[in-house]
Amino acid sequence: EAAVTQSPRSKVAVTGGKVTLSCHQTNNHDYMYWYRQDTGHGLRLIHYSYVADSTEKGDIPDGYKASRPSQENFSLILELASLSQTAVYFCASSGTPDAEQFFGPGTRLTVL
Amino acid sequence: GDSVTQKQGQVTLSEDDFLFINCTYSTTTYPTLFWYVQYPGQGPQLLLKVTTANNKGISRGFEATYDKGTTSFHLQKASVQESDSAVYFCALVERNMGYKLTFGTGTSLLVDP
Repeated sequence: EAAVTQSPRSKVAVTGGKVTLSCHQTNNHDYMYWYRQDTGHGLRLIHYSYVADSTEKGDIPDGYKASRPSQENFSLILELASLSQTAVYFCASSGTPDAEQFFGPGTRLTVL
Repeated sequence: GDSVTQKQGQVTLSEDDFLFINCTYSTTTYPTLFWYVQYPGQGPQLLLKVTTANNKGISRGFEATYDKGTTSFHLQKASVQESDSAVYFCALVERNMGYKLTFGTGTSLLVDP
């Protein structure tokens, strides 16, 4: 059973629309992360959280919001989707910040 | 600037060849270093983790040594198989960077049968 799941697995959105990506983990981990992956850039951290009801900005937070309503769930919100946000998004969890991160299968987002 | 550098974007080998993937880092302290591997259609998964305490990691035939002198963490495997075809990411976590995991740009390995 996958410990980190993401939904949807793929999404086509229109420019200016709102997009919500969801992540659920059963690892009982405190830390959760959202990354985006683009060819040539590896994975870049958007937002992360180390406790429910609190989120922190990562390296590229502009244009994104995050929500952590519970230990298990972490959402990424694009209020006004733009073409430049077309990418694959990964969620991950870890028990401590320097421990192994467990990644979900990713969500492919296409903004048209 | 980049704190993790992988200069090789793509590597093509034949089965049983020796693998060497270059990774260098630039930090102000001694980070914890990782190699993650990503197979097609999947999220990255941990291959190796090395700290200043153990200096060397070995997993599934892969090994990497933490070299503080040259600030390098190269990945090696003596004999690759077709199933090793994947993208390999070097990454680090450092206290002075808020313990955020920073990835290199990745090296795509293709092993021909």
